[in-house]
Amino acid sequence: EVHLLDSGGGLVQPGGSLRLSCAASGFTFSSYSMTWVRQAPGKGLEWVSFISDSGSRTNYADSVKGRFTTSRDKSKKTLYLQMNSLKVDDTAVYYCAKIGTGNYFEDWGQGTLVTVS
Amino acid sequence: QSVLTQPPSVSGAPGQRVTISCTGSSSNIGAGYDVHWYQQLPGTAPKLLIYGDISRPSGVPDRFSASKSGTSASLAITGLQAEDEADYYCQSYDSSLIGYVFGSGTKVSVL
Repeated sequence: EVHLLDSGGGLVQPGGSLRLSCAASGFTFSSYSMTWVRQAPGKGLEWVSFISDSGSRTNYADSVKGRFTTSRDKSKKTLYLQMNSLKVDDTAVYYCAKIGTGNYFEDWGQGTLVTVS
Repeated sequence: QSVLTQPPSVSGAPGQRVTISCTGSSSNIGAGYDVHWYQQLPGTAPKLLIYGDISRPSGVPDRFSASKSGTSASLAITGLQAEDEADYYCQSYDSSLIGYVFGSGTKVSVL
């Protein structure tokens, strides 16, 4: 069974940094692209970043480009999101998700809350 | 402002049929990119409901169906049940933004 465990959220001041983690199990981590999606309080879903199965390709939403970096560790089966220069508008629950072959998000973590205040 | 537009809310009585539209443009749905749908129950993570325009993952009831035409897609729920009360989101890829896009979300209420 696929399991994604998001962690690392918390309270941080504007301009600060935070690193989120997503521990994966139940599937061959190195064979799947991964993504981060966030949801501000009471708002809809917003795609944040993409990383290919090998980690060689990444892509970001314009709202976070230049401030956020996504990476992955094959040996630890863990996905990361390094968030720098955080803004109040970055306050959200952040979810990691496994990307299926058809560019859909087939499995999701439980989410971790980031509060910038 | 979401790239894909959905109605904020739809409602129906138990047993009725409701539909949710998802309107995009020539750079996403109209370009032929697949549309996927997610269900988010209150206080939980989203769950994949429909992928590849019309396909249901294992375990999703056949009460849920979807279609796509031109620059729009739609999700239908037949035989509405109380447990279907949730937020529903469409998702696709946008070639102009070079990234994934979500719909604005639709809250389904069972009267």
